Amino acid sequence: NAGVTQTPKFRVLKTGQSMTLLCAQDMNHEYMYWYRQDPGMGLRLIHYSVGEGTTAKGEVPDGYNVSRLKKQNFLLGLESAAPSQTSVYFCASSPRGAGYYEQYFGPGTRLTVT
Amino acid sequence: RKEVEQDPGPFNVPEGATVAFNCTYSNSASQSFFWYRQDCRKEPKLLMSVYSSGNEDGRFTAQLNRASQYISLLIRDSKLSDSATYLCVVTVSGSARQLTFGSGTQLTVLP
Repeated sequence: NAGVTQTPKFRVLKTGQSMTLLCAQDMNHEYMYWYRQDPGMGLRLIHYSVGEGTTAKGEVPDGYNVSRLKKQNFLLGLESAAPSQTSVYFCASSPRGAGYYEQYFGPGTRLTVT
Repeated sequence: RKEVEQDPGPFNVPEGATVAFNCTYSNSASQSFFWYRQDCRKEPKLLMSVYSSGNEDGRFTAQLNRASQYISLLIRDSKLSDSATYLCVVTVSGSARQLTFGSGTQLTVLP
C-alpha cells in the first residue's frame, strides 16, 4: 500500500515549457487535490476533484489544468510555465470532503521555472 | 488580513519544555479545525482534529475558542522528534474549496 505517490519529484523548466505532474493513490479515495506551497504562504488549493471524471477550481487555478480520467490518478498540467509557478506541489486525497476527513498527502514535486 | 494566521516562529525550546501555539481565523462560519505537522521538506500529516470541547492525544492538547476565533495546540514534555512545522487548518464546510491552511509555526526542540 503506497498511499499517495507523485511523479516527478524534481523538475526544472524553462519559461514557456509545458509539463504534467502525475498523482496516484491506491486507497480508493473519492476526493483528490492539488496544492502549491510557497514560503510564508501556506498551502493553497489549485484544483480538486470529487470523483472520477470531475474537476473543480480552487483558490489559485490560473495557468493550470487538471484531469481525472481514472479514480486513482489526478494529473496537473502547466500549459506555459512561468517563474511565478516555481513552487512545491503537493497532491492529496481523502475518502470524502476534506472538511471532515483526513487528507493524505504525497511527497511533493519541487518545480523550478527559470 | 489572512483567513488563518499563525505566529511563524521559530520557537526554540529545550527538551522537556511545554510549548503552546495559537492560530486565529477570520471566518466566523468556520466549522472544522485541524492541526497538521510538516517535517522539513516533507508532506503534511494530520496530527489531530480539534473539537469544541477540546481534546488530548498523549502529550498534545488542542483547544478551540469559537468566541475569540482561535485554536491552540499545547505540547508537553517536548521531544527532539517534535521538531517540525505545525499547520493550522480551518474549514467553513465540508467543501474542499473552503479548506484553508495557515502558513505554519516552526518548532525546534533543542537537546
